[in-house]
Amino acid sequence: EAGVTQFPSHSVIEKGQTVTLRCDPISGHDNLYWYRRVMGKEIKFLLHFVKESKQDESGMPNNRFLAERTGGTYSTLKVQPAELEDSGVYFCASSQGGVGAASSYNEQFFGPGTRLTVL
Amino acid sequence: RKEVEQDPGPFNVPEGATVAFNCTYSNSASQSFFWYRQDCRKEPKLLMSVYSSGNEDGRFTAQLNRASQYISLLIRDSKLSDSATYLCVVNPKGTYGGSQGNLIFGKGTKLSVKP
Repeated sequence: EAGVTQFPSHSVIEKGQTVTLRCDPISGHDNLYWYRRVMGKEIKFLLHFVKESKQDESGMPNNRFLAERTGGTYSTLKVQPAELEDSGVYFCASSQGGVGAASSYNEQFFGPGTRLTVL
Repeated sequence: RKEVEQDPGPFNVPEGATVAFNCTYSNSASQSFFWYRQDCRKEPKLLMSVYSSGNEDGRFTAQLNRASQYISLLIRDSKLSDSATYLCVVNPKGTYGGSQGNLIFGKGTKLSVKP
């Protein structure tokens, strides 16, 4: 079974430009998450989709970030305009279940990440 | 106080050693707990899940102490391939009592196993 995939693996852009990251979850996983790790910090949650709906976007840093999951399959995360502090590794994860009783149904599996560098 | 705290290490141990990592969490209502392993420049990979008091899988044992808000990971008979960063991860309690979707990560503990 294919795991979570992300594209691109690396992106180098200039401040003020736009970048769009893509995530394809494990087939059949309704729950999709975006996380980010900036240098020297821990991985932090950005948002959570259940199918095409945003369940929780409390971690989104500001309105320069826009996440979509049209059709409930793959998701995109757009940063516009990019700032220097947006540099980091953006991870996507998916799970069968999302909220509810603690069980293996809710375990999250991560993609390889997109390393974003804003110059 | 950070939500999830870990000793950053590094822990440098010889092959065959037993090593233990500790982690504390601040939210007493947290529902489930995980140890992920992350190799350099790779994604976190789920190593163990802890839903009750503990879990054991081969050389790896995780224990949970809810009263002390403390989780540990024990690795016995360390292998060179165990060298990685170990992330303590907590899933907080959701609005309706179950787990929330977002995971809260510690900064990780780096392990280096030497021949």
